[in-house]
Amino acid sequence: DAGVIQSPRHEVTEMGQEVTLRCKPISGHDYLFWYRQTMMRGLELLIYFNNNVPIDDSGMPEDRFSAKMPNASFSTLKIQPSEPRDSAVYFCASSSTGSLDEKLFFGSGTQLSVL
Amino acid sequence: TQLLEQSPQFLSIQEGENLTVYCNSSSVFSSLQWYRQEPGEGPVLLVTVVTGGEVKKLKRLTFQFGDARKDSSLHITAAQPGDTGLYLCAGATTSGTYKYIFGTGTRLKVLA
Repeated sequence: DAGVIQSPRHEVTEMGQEVTLRCKPISGHDYLFWYRQTMMRGLELLIYFNNNVPIDDSGMPEDRFSAKMPNASFSTLKIQPSEPRDSAVYFCASSSTGSLDEKLFFGSGTQLSVL
Repeated sequence: TQLLEQSPQFLSIQEGENLTVYCNSSSVFSSLQWYRQEPGEGPVLLVTVVTGGEVKKLKRLTFQFGDARKDSSLHITAAQPGDTGLYLCAGATTSGTYKYIFGTGTRLKVLA
């Protein structure tokens, strides 16, 4: 299996622009998570899906952030408009059953820089 | 808000030394995981502990879950340069929804 695939690996954009991050989870995994990692705040959970349905989006910073999962093999995280404070590494992760000892498989992340 | 605090934040040691990193919270977790993350990559799971007082060994790494399931430790024996990385603990909660909360991380550098 190719693992969790994220694109792009790096994104540089200007403040005010729309940014879309993409994720393909591992085939057969029912749970998908979006995390954001910064030096100051560490790894924060933004939102997670179960069977394509958003379950908990309490970590989404504000209305500028939105996430969708139109099917089992694809998810997007959109920021509009982007701001410099959104600069971070964004990770997508997936897992199969959602049990408490389940392993999260992470992608390699998208390094976002908003100028 | 459930928080997981890790200590120390940074650790630089010589090859062959032993070390322990800690993960503490005021909240009770149903299970706790340890991950290692290398630069430019996502975290990779090392171990999951689910029972209070549980101890797991993975070669030179020993993981312990506190009796009250609020804290955990990771001990590395005879550290090697390949152990260098960011170590993250993650606690699972089922209060309403299932999700993992990550700690602040310990950045370890092992010098040859």
